[in-house]
Amino acid sequence: NAGVTQTPKFQVLKTGQSMTLQCAQDMNHNSMYWYRQDPGMGLRLIYYSASEGTTDKGEVPNGYNVSRLNKREFSLRLESAAPSQTSVYFCASSWGGANTGELFFGEGSRLTVL
Amino acid sequence: SQQGEEDPQALSIQEGENATMNCSYKTSINNLQWYRQNSGRGLVHLILIRSNEREKHSGRLRVTLDTSKKSSSLLITASRAADTASYFCATDKDSSYKLIFGSGTRLLVRP
Repeated sequence: NAGVTQTPKFQVLKTGQSMTLQCAQDMNHNSMYWYRQDPGMGLRLIYYSASEGTTDKGEVPNGYNVSRLNKREFSLRLESAAPSQTSVYFCASSWGGANTGELFFGEGSRLTVL
Repeated sequence: SQQGEEDPQALSIQEGENATMNCSYKTSINNLQWYRQNSGRGLVHLILIRSNEREKHSGRLRVTLDTSKKSSSLLITASRAADTASYFCATDKDSSYKLIFGSGTRLLVRP
């Protein structure tokens, strides 16, 4: 089992460019999440999807959009990248709510915006 | 805003010693979780403690929770070089889907 798979692992963008980060899980989990991690900081929740067909804002949603394509896949889109979005992005999934059990994380996507 | 704050920010110990990390949070919670992150990797779940529990063990890990002080501690006994990592506490806030992470404790275990 792959668990949570994120693509791409590394990406460099110029300011104003757009891109989509892909995430897929093979554990039949209901809930999926996107976090960002900046140097020396913990993770901040961008968006989450409690179940297929639903998405909700987290702590720092501005500048991002998400799509829960199906139960397996949850994508994060940057429409017009800004240097402040340089970060490491983590996708995670869980059976039920995040507070009821463990989150399973991908290995991260490292994004640099010039 | 950060719900949980870990203390200390960094900790360096000798292999075989115990490591204690603390987490404080601001609002009431249902559960508190601890995660480990090795350098350049994703987070891995260690342990979950519910608000009605005071102590929980898992192998060499011992977690305590004091809801009156809004604080938790993670104790790693008989540390190993492989325990070198960052450790984060995470608490639910406002909803069962919003798991909020602290800024972490960087643990270095010297061989």
